[in-house]
Amino acid sequence: NAGVTQTPKFRVLKTGQSMTLLCAQDMNHEYMYWYRQDPGMGLRLIHYSVGEGTTAKGEVPDGYNVSRLKKQNFLLGLESAAPSQTSVYFCASSYLGNEQYFGPGTRLTVT
Amino acid sequence: KQEVTQIPAALSVPEGENLVLNCSFTDSAIYNLQWFRQDPGKGLTSLLLIQSSQREQTSGRLNASLDKSSGRSTLYIAASQPGDSATYLCAVRLSGSGNTGKLIFGQGTTLQVKP
Repeated sequence: NAGVTQTPKFRVLKTGQSMTLLCAQDMNHEYMYWYRQDPGMGLRLIHYSVGEGTTAKGEVPDGYNVSRLKKQNFLLGLESAAPSQTSVYFCASSYLGNEQYFGPGTRLTVT
Repeated sequence: KQEVTQIPAALSVPEGENLVLNCSFTDSAIYNLQWFRQDPGKGLTSLLLIQSSQREQTSGRLNASLDKSSGRSTLYIAASQPGDSATYLCAVRLSGSGNTGKLIFGQGTTLQVKP
């Protein structure tokens, strides 16, 4: 099992550009989450999904959109990137909200 | 609003020492508490999960305890090794969060074990 994988690992964007981060899990987990990690702020929940076709807002959802068209995939989109979105993004999954398993992260820089 | 605090922010110990990392939370209505390890530039690895009805969990040299009434958890590392050097994060899942499993994280304790 690969567990939770994320693509890409690194990305540099210019202000106003768009991109999509892909998260995939092979553990048949219902629940998936997107977090961002910033120095001094810790990990904060952006959006989450409790099943295929469902999404919900977390603590810091502004500027991001998500989709869960397939159970194993959870996509995080930035429509118009801003320097404040420079961060490390982590995806996680869990079985019915229990122990969460994290991906390796995507390091995004917006100039 | 639930707040999770980890003190100290950084800790340096000599190899072989037993040590305790602390985590405190303001709202005792939690469903469970999870301890993670994060190596520099890497993702989070789950170490231990304690359900609200449990008092402790053990895995190898690691032992995590939970005292809901006082809003505290500790992670005990026995016979520390240089390979234990990492940032340790605790996170609580609120009991009122339905079945979403949302976690509230502390900011972590960065541990350095010197040979």
